Amino acid sequence: AQKVTQAQTEISVVEKEDVTLDCVYETRDTTYYLFWYKQPPSGELVFLIRRNSFDEQNEISGRYSWNFQKSTSSFNFTITASQVVDSAVYFCALSEFALTGANSKLTFGKGITLSVRP
Amino acid sequence: DTGVSQNPRHKITKRGQNVTFRCDPISEHNRLYWYRQTLGQGPEFLTYFQNEAQLEKSRLLSDRFSAERPKGSFSTLEIQRTEQGDSAMYLCASSPRGQGFGDTIYFGEGSWLTVV
Repeated sequence: AQKVTQAQTEISVVEKEDVTLDCVYETRDTTYYLFWYKQPPSGELVFLIRRNSFDEQNEISGRYSWNFQKSTSSFNFTITASQVVDSAVYFCALSEFALTGANSKLTFGKGITLSVRP
Repeated sequence: DTGVSQNPRHKITKRGQNVTFRCDPISEHNRLYWYRQTLGQGPEFLTYFQNEAQLEKSRLLSDRFSAERPKGSFSTLEIQRTEQGDSAMYLCASSPRGQGFGDTIYFGEGSWLTVV
């Protein structure tokens, strides 16, 4: 069965600090997709990034960067120079292959609550 | 607003009552998903539609739950004879017609259900 572990439950940093959110996953599939979503207090899950299992290149988008390491089954997310607006719950998720066609069905971790203090 | 729209956003109901939530996906998205999220947990998959066909249901979806997507557009999720354990946020999501596997899923803001 697929599993996503986000061992950190709550992280608190001061504005402008860098912070890394960890994600470890388990799957028997050789082809899979990994995602990060942000959930602000409003409740909506905001898509941040999608990565397929064949692309291990790290990605940077502004203050956000992602480190995918297949050898350790990890897909970590770093926020550089954090800001108060980054305060939210962050979820890592894994897409599993399904014969029904629900191939984008996601298995989520429990989430990491990030608090950025001014 | 072209995002996934859900209503009502909040619903408080007495145990035993029926409730219905509606989801309007992003236009032209042919895949629609329902997830449930309880406090301190990540969302859990409930069911999936491709157009009007309901192709997969989770074991979490008991007989009291029914979802429909007539004409492949909006969807409804009905919970009959609600129980306190049904209290959660119900999230709808949609994804575009694409390769299918690994398509990005776009979520709505969710519908909070409180059963008292």
